[in-house]
This record gives sequence, C-alpha cells and structure tokens, in this order.
Amino acid sequence: EVQLVESGGGLVQPGGSLRLSCAASGFTFYSDWMSWVRQAPGKGLEWVANIKEDGSEKNYVDSVKGRFTISRDNAKNSLYLQMNSLRADDTAVYYCVRSIGGGKSAWGQGTLVTVSS
Amino acid sequence: SVLTQPPSASGTPGQRVTISCSGSSSSIGSNIVNWFQQLPGTTPKLLIHSNNQRPSGVPDRFSGSKSGTSASLAISGLQSEDEADYYCAAWDASLKAYVFGSGTKVTVL
Repeated sequence: EVQLVESGGGLVQPGGSLRLSCAASGFTFYSDWMSWVRQAPGKGLEWVANIKEDGSEKNYVDSVKGRFTISRDNAKNSLYLQMNSLRADDTAVYYCVRSIGGGKSAWGQGTLVTVSS
Repeated sequence: SVLTQPPSASGTPGQRVTISCSGSSSSIGSNIVNWFQQLPGTTPKLLIHSNNQRPSGVPDRFSGSKSGTSASLAISGLQSEDEADYYCAAWDASLKAYVFGSGTKVTVL
C-alpha cells in the first residue's frame, strides 16, 4: 500500500522558516516525480513545486521562487520542502504527492503550516 | 487560476452533471488532464488521469474527455456520495508549472 506521511508543519512567525518532510513507502520512490501541493483554509488546490526522480530538475510556482526549496533523498525514501521567508499567505495544508500528473497519483494526509505573529 | 471551472454544479440523484475546464494551448492544449475529487474534510484523490482514464476503484459513472484547450468531467447517475469539490489540472509548458482549476463544488439536491 502506498503511504505518504508528512511532518514538520506548525506555527511560525512571518519571516521565519520551516522544513517539511514526507516519508514515502509502498512504491519505488526513486522512480517517480514528486510534488508539494498546498491548500489554504477554505480555498482550492495550488501546486507548489515538483522534483524529478533523480533530483536533477525542479520547478516552482512563481509565488515561492527564491524562498522555497524542494529536495529528496532516495536512499531514505523522503521528500522535503525547505520554506524560508514565510508570509501569511503561505498558511495552508501542505500535501506530499506522488506522480501528480500521472495515473499513479497518491496524496498524503497533509501537514498544516500557519504563519502568524 | 490558469484553468477555468464553474464554481458550482448541482443535480438530483440519477441525473447527469458535467463540469467544464478551460485552459490554453500551453496547458490543456498540449498536455494531459487529470481530475481530482475532494470529499468534505478529506484529502484529494485522483479521479481521472490521462484525460479519460479511470484508476482502479473509481466507478464508471465518472468519465473524462478533452477537446482542444478544454476538458470536461461527467458524472452520470449522480449519487449523494458524489457531493464534493472537483478540480481539473494539467502541466503548463509556458509557466513550467502544474496548474489547477479553481474547483467546482457539486451539490446533490
């Protein structure tokens, strides 16, 4: 069974940093693109970033470029999102997603990030 | 949102409901479309992939199609458990970003 378990969310002040982690199991992690998708309270889905199987290619939504960094450790079956210079509008549930554009898409349960003073 | 969906759709049990998703030549026009279902209080789930393919376990009353720069999701034989938010999504080659529609809330009357 495919499992994606996010962690690292919490309350942080504006301008602060957080590192999200996603532990993957039940599939061949190093064979899939991985993404982070977020959902602000009461709002729709927003793709944040993705990373190629070997980590050689990364893409970001414009609003997080220069502030967020996606990475992965295939030896640990783990995906990460380093978030710096956090703003109030980054407040959202962050989902770890396997192969978002394909037929194997699977989502974690999400971790809540709240940016507030 | 880069992809345009109607904010809401509704129908009575057994009816057919269709949700549209309009994009551009760089998104839907040149890439596959996925549809996601988010039941109230739950995580999004893949409903349709590759424009019109249903993953294992998705009832055949859900179907997807694509033509040019638009796509649509149809729910035939609407059931109460289909009340949810539905999102279309596709890669946008110009933005180099995966884009979602704004979501359509389906209500079963």
